[in-house]
Parts: sequence; structure tokens; C-alpha cells
Amino acid sequence: GAVVSQHPSWVICKSGTSVKIECRSLDFQATTMFWYRQFPKQSLMLMATSNEGSKATYEQGVEKDKFLINHASLTLSTLTVTSAHPEDSSFYICSATGTGGLHEQYFGPGTRLTVT
Amino acid sequence: GDSVTQMEGPVTLSEEAFLTINCTYTATGYPSLFWYVQYPGEGLQLLLKATKADDKGSNKGFEATYRKETTSFHLEKGSVQVSDSAVYFCALSTGANSKLTFGKGITLSVRP
Repeated sequence: GAVVSQHPSWVICKSGTSVKIECRSLDFQATTMFWYRQFPKQSLMLMATSNEGSKATYEQGVEKDKFLINHASLTLSTLTVTSAHPEDSSFYICSATGTGGLHEQYFGPGTRLTVT
Repeated sequence: GDSVTQMEGPVTLSEEAFLTINCTYTATGYPSLFWYVQYPGEGLQLLLKATKADDKGSNKGFEATYRKETTSFHLEKGSVQVSDSAVYFCALSTGANSKLTFGKGITLSVRP
């Protein structure tokens, strides 16, 4: 149980375009979802926290207009990278916590974004 | 702010060798401490955790003890297996909203 999926697993896009990444909790209701970014050989950096039905809370230094997060349902959150640039290339990971004792974070497998 | 420092990697061991991965932390407040593992092609999984000083977390033969006096949470296993090859992350949480602060992670490779 407590499985989180991400789609796509990898994506290549051209500079200036936007790309959407989905994060789904498959077998539980995710009251809170987290989005992380991971650079090679570095730790996961928390970008934002989102609660279902409310606006995401962004960490300091993260551009909310560039990284749009939507948590429209208890099983789905999306991250849209708008007007992507090569420096946005990274590994994006989501996690989710739920109700009914599911307070630990369950992580998705990540999405590799390459902006050319 | 909160931070987690892990020893530099990668680490390569022979099967059945003893493993220690060091982790130290700085935190405001009283953190909970975690070790996560990421197997190739998979998401991070919680390996073990400890929520107060002197607690020992254990799972799959791995152990880590919450040492408040040395602000450490070192991961140990007495006899590693090839299947333990993965990336290991030390992390802490101090907030009620489960926000995690991660170390850089260390890659462990175990040779047969």
C-alpha cells in the first residue's frame, strides 16, 4: 500500500515551452503533497508543499509563477514548469502524506526533465 | 536553519562486510530523524526512524541510534548484501507538517 506514481518518468522539452508533471497517490488519499528538486549528487530540495484544495506554500527562493502547483483532488497534484529554460533541467520528485495514520511521506519515483 | 550532513561517497563494500554511514544534523527544536533508501529506478522508501534521544530505529538488519549529545544518527549494518546496493539519505523533520530536510545522499555498492 501507499504507492505514489509520477508521470512522465522523463521528458525532454524545448526552451520556452511549458511542461506538466503529475503526481498521484494510487491507494490512499493524500491530504498533503510535497514537490522536491534534486540536482546530480545533491540532496532533495523542497520546493513547495500543497494541501488539497488550497494554494501551495513555496519555499524561499522558489518562483511560484514559474513552478505552478495544483492539488485539485486528494489523489492528484501537478507541477507545471512554465517557460522552461536549460537551468530548469533536473530531477523532480513528489511525495505525499495521507490520513488514517499515513503521516509519513511516500515518495514517487521521480521525473527527469531535460530542457534543450 | 536545519541541515543534515552525510559522509562523502560513494561507498563500495564486499558482501558480508560491516557498514557505517555517518550522519550529523543541526536543527532548531527537537527533530525526528530518518533514513531513506532509494533502490535503482524506484522512489525513496523509509528505512527507519527515531523520534527522541537514545531511540534506536531498525529495519532489514539496519540500525541507527538517535544521539542528541553528538547530534548524530549513523546508519549501521553488520553484514551487507548485494541487494542493499542503493542510495541512502539521512533526513530530519522538526515541523508538524512533516517537512523533511535531507542530506546529500550516499551511494552504496555491494560486490558479490
